[in-house]
Amino acid sequence: NAGVTQTPKFRILKIGQSMTLQCTQDMNHNYMYWYRQDPGMGLKLIYYSVGAGITDKGEVPNGYNVSRSTTEDFPLRLELAAPSQTSVYFCASSSQGSGDNEQFFGPGTRLTVL
Amino acid sequence: DAKTTQPPSMDCAEGRAANLPCNHSTISGNEYVYWYRQIHSQGPQYIIHGLKNNETNEMASLIITEDRKSSTLILPHATLRDTAVYYCIVRVRNYGGSQGNLIFGKGTKLSVKP
Repeated sequence: NAGVTQTPKFRILKIGQSMTLQCTQDMNHNYMYWYRQDPGMGLKLIYYSVGAGITDKGEVPNGYNVSRSTTEDFPLRLELAAPSQTSVYFCASSSQGSGDNEQFFGPGTRLTVL
Repeated sequence: DAKTTQPPSMDCAEGRAANLPCNHSTISGNEYVYWYRQIHSQGPQYIIHGLKNNETNEMASLIITEDRKSSTLILPHATLRDTAVYYCIVRVRNYGGSQGNLIFGKGTKLSVKP
């Protein structure tokens, strides 16, 4: 299993541009999450999904959109990039009903908005 | 806001035990204590979790006080590869809604020195 994969690894955007951060997991997990991590800080939850077709806001959802059309994929969309969205973005997944319900994280996408 | 308090940094000599404390004085009866770590530039990694009994796995041991208001993560023989930020998190286990989501604070930066 590849686990949780994210693309791209790095991206530089200009203010006002849009982009989609891709996240895929091959563990058949129902739950998926998007976090952002600013320098020197802990992770903050942006959006999460408990299954295909179901998404909900986390702590910092403004400026982002998500969709969950399949179990495997959970893309994060930035419509109008702003410098405040410069951050490292992590996707994670977890299995409903598993013994530990631990979250498995991807390697992250480092985004810079100039 | 995170429900836990951790020291911002700690040092440990290679080969010695690393004892990382965490205060969670407002923990409720159905909340578990989880530990994750984040090695530089990587996604967080699950380490261990517990409710009230001490737990041990191949990575670490978790000691929770009887009143559950604090806990200690123990890495029995720290190596240079254990240098990371360690996050102590309290959360409801196996809950399908937002109450089960992880809330990351700033964690403890553990530096293992040769």
